[in-house]
Amino acid sequence: QKEVEQNSGPLSVPEGAIASLNCTYSDRVSQSFFWYRQYSGKSPELIMSIYSNGDKEDGRFTAQLNKASQYVSLLIRDSQPSDSATYLCAVNGRSGGFKTIFGAGTRLFVKA
Amino acid sequence: GAGVSQSPSNKVTEKGKDVELRCDPISGHTALYWYRQSLGQGLEFLIYFQGNSAPDKSGLPSDRFSAERTGGSVSTLTIQRTQQEDSAVYLCASSLERGTDYYGYTFGSGTRLTVV
Repeated sequence: QKEVEQNSGPLSVPEGAIASLNCTYSDRVSQSFFWYRQYSGKSPELIMSIYSNGDKEDGRFTAQLNKASQYVSLLIRDSQPSDSATYLCAVNGRSGGFKTIFGAGTRLFVKA
Repeated sequence: GAGVSQSPSNKVTEKGKDVELRCDPISGHTALYWYRQSLGQGLEFLIYFQGNSAPDKSGLPSDRFSAERTGGSVSTLTIQRTQQEDSAVYLCASSLERGTDYYGYTFGSGTRLTVV
């Protein structure tokens, strides 16, 4: 079992819709959870971090964390073509030492 | 500096040659990481430095790979006797870590290494 799992996609949504990206992780004692956006040919960019159960909102982005289910998600409201990118889920947990483990990423396409 | 700086941005080298990749992290960031990303693939952890602690080298794929961090700041990743499978984008990231509080990474723009 991979430590951080994501559906590779591609996930295609129409402009203005809600995009929902999901991630599961295997280390129950994980403490810190992150979402990165990576445009083609560019480096990953941190867009959201979440540390406790529940929802965290930042503009059009909402991160959701459920530690009991070992599940973290990212919702993008009013999706725009500029949101088209690969979204990486990342988890920092004891099994990884002090390094963050990245999922393989989900490719998102927002159709105009 | 304002961001994580990596050099060179591109490197083409002949198989068997040694290469050095440099990373200058954000000032004040105590943690520094090296990852690599092959075309269309995820991020592969290589090595992690935190303050004066011994580095976590568990991700280095072979003894041809080594890294050092001088003065708690600039880091150099060295690949000896390069092979074609070493071709990838090498990403450096830094982070502010305090105790068990973990923060997200800021990545550099990467070094694209091509071994021919």
